[in-house]
Amino acid sequence: NAGVTQTPKFQVLKTGQSMTLQCAQDMNHEYMSWYRQDPGMGLRLIHYSVGAGITDQGEVPNGYNVSRSTTEDFPLRLLSAAPSQTSVYFCASSYTLDRASYEQYFGPGTRLTVT
Amino acid sequence: AQSVAQPEDQVNVAEGNPLTVKCTYSVSGNPYLFWYVQYPNRGLQFLLKYITGDNLVKGSYGFEAEFNKSQTSFHLKKPSALVSDSALYFCAVSSSTGNQFYFGTGTSLTVIP
Repeated sequence: NAGVTQTPKFQVLKTGQSMTLQCAQDMNHEYMSWYRQDPGMGLRLIHYSVGAGITDQGEVPNGYNVSRSTTEDFPLRLLSAAPSQTSVYFCASSYTLDRASYEQYFGPGTRLTVT
Repeated sequence: AQSVAQPEDQVNVAEGNPLTVKCTYSVSGNPYLFWYVQYPNRGLQFLLKYITGDNLVKGSYGFEAEFNKSQTSFHLKKPSALVSDSALYFCAVSSSTGNQFYFGTGTSLTVIP
């Protein structure tokens, strides 16, 4: 199993540009999530999904969109990039039965810089 | 509201000495508590979790954690630190009623040879 994969590893955007961060998992996990990691702030949840066709907002959803058309994929879209979105982004997945009790598997991260 | 606090940004310990990384939490409902480790330029890796049962939980790489309901704490411990344990450690909490996980700000552990 490849686990959770993320592309790209690094990205530089100009303010106002849009882009999609890709995330895929091959463990048949129903729960998937996106976090951003900023120094001194830990990980903050952006959006999550409990299954194909179902998404919901996390702690910091503004400026980001998600969709979940398949179990495997959970892309994160930046609509109009801003310097405040400079961060490291992690995708994670887990089982969903009694979902809150299952540990998450994390991807390697995407380091995004917005100039 | 759910939250997690890691009061120490940095913990230094000599190799071979016991280590403790502190975590306190606030959650409505029964707490589900997790510890993760992050090595430089890597994603987070799961270490251990408390869901129910024994208050002392054993996990990967010789780590353990003690759940203390009265003090709302879930401190990570290891009897004898290794240089290779140097990393960033995150505590996280979810609740039996929720879909979201909340992470602490992380504690950087340095084990000195």
